[in-house]
Amino acid sequence: QVQLVQSGAEVKKPGASVKVSCKASGYTFTHYAIYWVRQAPGQGLEWMGWINVGNGETKYSQRFQGRVTITGDTSASIVYMELSSLRSEDTAVYYCARGPVTKGLSYWGQGTLVTVSS
Amino acid sequence: EMVMTQSPATLSVSPGERATLSCRASQGVGTNLAWYQQKPGQAPRLLIYGASTRASGIPARFSGSGSGTEFTLTISSLQSEDFVVYYCQQYNNWPPRFGPGTKVDVK
Repeated sequence: QVQLVQSGAEVKKPGASVKVSCKASGYTFTHYAIYWVRQAPGQGLEWMGWINVGNGETKYSQRFQGRVTITGDTSASIVYMELSSLRSEDTAVYYCARGPVTKGLSYWGQGTLVTVSS
Repeated sequence: EMVMTQSPATLSVSPGERATLSCRASQGVGTNLAWYQQKPGQAPRLLIYGASTRASGIPARFSGSGSGTEFTLTISSLQSEDFVVYYCQQYNNWPPRFGPGTKVDVK
C-alpha cells in the first residue's frame, strides 16, 4: 500500500534551517509528483511547492521563493524539503503529499511539527 | 492572484441533517477543484476531485457540485465523525491554493 513517512519533529532557532524528509513506498516513486503543504497552529493549509521526482523539476510558491528547496533521492525514494532563514511564523506542521494534484492528493504523510523558538 | 473563499466559516448542524458548504474562486477554475476533510491532529483526507468525483473509499453521503467559480460540498446525513473541518482547493492555477476552511460543528 502507498505510504509516505516523514521525519520526526524539529525544534530550531530563528535564522536556522530545517530539512524534513518524506520516504515513499508502495508505488513507483518516479511516477508521481510530491507536494509540500504546511499548517500553522490553528490555521489553514498553505502550499509550499512540489517536485516532479522523475525529472527533478521543482516549482515553489512565491511566498517561499528563495527560502525553500525541494529535492529528491530516487535511489532511496525520499523527498526532502529544506526551509531556511526560519522565523517564529514558520512554526507549523509540514506535510508531504502525493500527486497528481489533478486527481486530488490522495496520500499524505503523517506531518512533521517544526517549532521555531529562541 | 487567485483567492479562494469558503462560507460559512462555521456551520452548525444536527446529526442526521444535511450540510451544504460553499467554496468560491476569484477566477474561473473549470472543474479543477478538490475537497478535503481534516480531523484534529490528522493529515487532510481527499473527499472529492474534479469538483464532483468522489475519491476512493469515500461514502456516498459526500457529494460535490459546481464549476467555474462556485462550488458546493454536500453531506447528506451528518454522522458523528463528520463534525470536523473541510477545505476546498483549486488546481487550475499555480499555486493550487486552499480555501480557509469550514468547520462543521454540532448544533
